[in-house]
Amino acid sequence: GQNIDQPTEMTATEGAIVQINCTYQTSGFNGLFWYQQHAGEAPTFLSYNVLDGLEEKGRFSSFLSRSKGYSYLLLKELQMKDSASYLCAVMDSNYQLIWGAGTKLIIKP
Amino acid sequence: GAVVSQHPSRVICKSGTSVKIECRSLDFQATTMFWYRQFPKQSLMLMATSNEGSKATYEQGVEKDKFLINHASLTLSTLTVTSAHPEDSSFYICSARGNPEASPGETQYFGPGTRLLVL
Repeated sequence: GQNIDQPTEMTATEGAIVQINCTYQTSGFNGLFWYQQHAGEAPTFLSYNVLDGLEEKGRFSSFLSRSKGYSYLLLKELQMKDSASYLCAVMDSNYQLIWGAGTKLIIKP
Repeated sequence: GAVVSQHPSRVICKSGTSVKIECRSLDFQATTMFWYRQFPKQSLMLMATSNEGSKATYEQGVEKDKFLINHASLTLSTLTVTSAHPEDSSFYICSARGNPEASPGETQYFGPGTRLLVL
């Protein structure tokens, strides 16, 4: 079966760095997405990785290792507004997105 | 990024009535639209996938006669919750994308969601 695993909840301090991991097992692979979802709102796109390596976009970076079925989202210089759920999703061989359950990130002052 | 709108943003209705939710892609042609449901503090649950001009594909456990989906054009899909009951109260979110085979990194863009409360 297809499976996406990510931690349920993480806590970090304002100004610090946090890494949210995602492991996956899917039928084929056409890329991995990270989305941010604030409570009561729809998800917003953060990043897309299809090749191995690190993609940096401002304070957020996303890493992919296809051989290990592993990705992480790295958030630097955390701000209170970064408190949200972070969703990992993999596009399978049928171009369907398989969603993880999301990681709730709590930022403390 | 691309813009997807949803209407209405909130709706309150009586049990037994039907509710229609519209999802529009405003600045691109959406080959495929997706309908999700999210209960409080739970993850997104895909309900159905619809391609323009064809019947929607429903996920297991989702009643196609209760949740009617019409994807009449490349910019509009509608979800009708028929004979709504209190247990249908949820946050309904649509998303739209172009052709992933042409561009796999072309992400799904989400609408702002519709909060449905059935009394």
